[in-house]
Amino acid sequence: AQSVSQHNHHVILSEAASLELGCNYSYGGTVNLFWYVQYPGQHLQLLLKYFSGDPLVKGIKGFEAEFIKSKFSFNLRKPSVQWSDTAEYFCAVNAGGSYIPTFGRGTSLIVHP
Amino acid sequence: KAGVTQTPRYLIKTRGQQVTLSCSPISGHRSVSWYQQTPGQGLQFLFEYFSETQRNKGNFPGRFSGRQFSNSRSEMNVSTLELGDSALYLCASSLAQAGETQYFGPGTRLLVL
Repeated sequence: AQSVSQHNHHVILSEAASLELGCNYSYGGTVNLFWYVQYPGQHLQLLLKYFSGDPLVKGIKGFEAEFIKSKFSFNLRKPSVQWSDTAEYFCAVNAGGSYIPTFGRGTSLIVHP
Repeated sequence: KAGVTQTPRYLIKTRGQQVTLSCSPISGHRSVSWYQQTPGQGLQFLFEYFSETQRNKGNFPGRFSGRQFSNSRSEMNVSTLELGDSALYLCASSLAQAGETQYFGPGTRLLVL
């Protein structure tokens, strides 16, 4: 069975700092990759996704993620975070044509103004 | 398009009781998935329904059940509630293609006393 690991459970940054959240998965075949974000009191929503093509994917609000197949990774990055980026971030992987994504445990990001 | 809606938004129950949660997917979406979200555990997949049939099932006891109606609306039921069932229950809908993006509702927060 596939698994998804998010190594950083809690991250605290100051505004304007750079962000990188790690995501690794265990599956050797074709994957669809997602990052979802859950702002305080709001729905879980899609931040960005990778299905195929350019491994560097750009999402909403200045976020981007890079798919590195050899490392089974899909790390999320943002060059300069804002206070409004405070949220919980989830990495998810659909592997082998599965209908159901496997989610990581999430990373709680707090950005100090 | 209206988003995924879930009712009720909050519930307080006592141990041993049962509860039914409802989810209305985005119009045109035929797949409905249910997740349990708890601090530190992330999103745990419960089950997925497509065309009124349970297509995928997670590792939860039989106390957790669900169904889907012909209009794609879905309900999940938890019988004989335990304290550990306290969680945010999320419903997500999708177009039912493998690997598709899931769209989440606001969740039902269940507290079991």
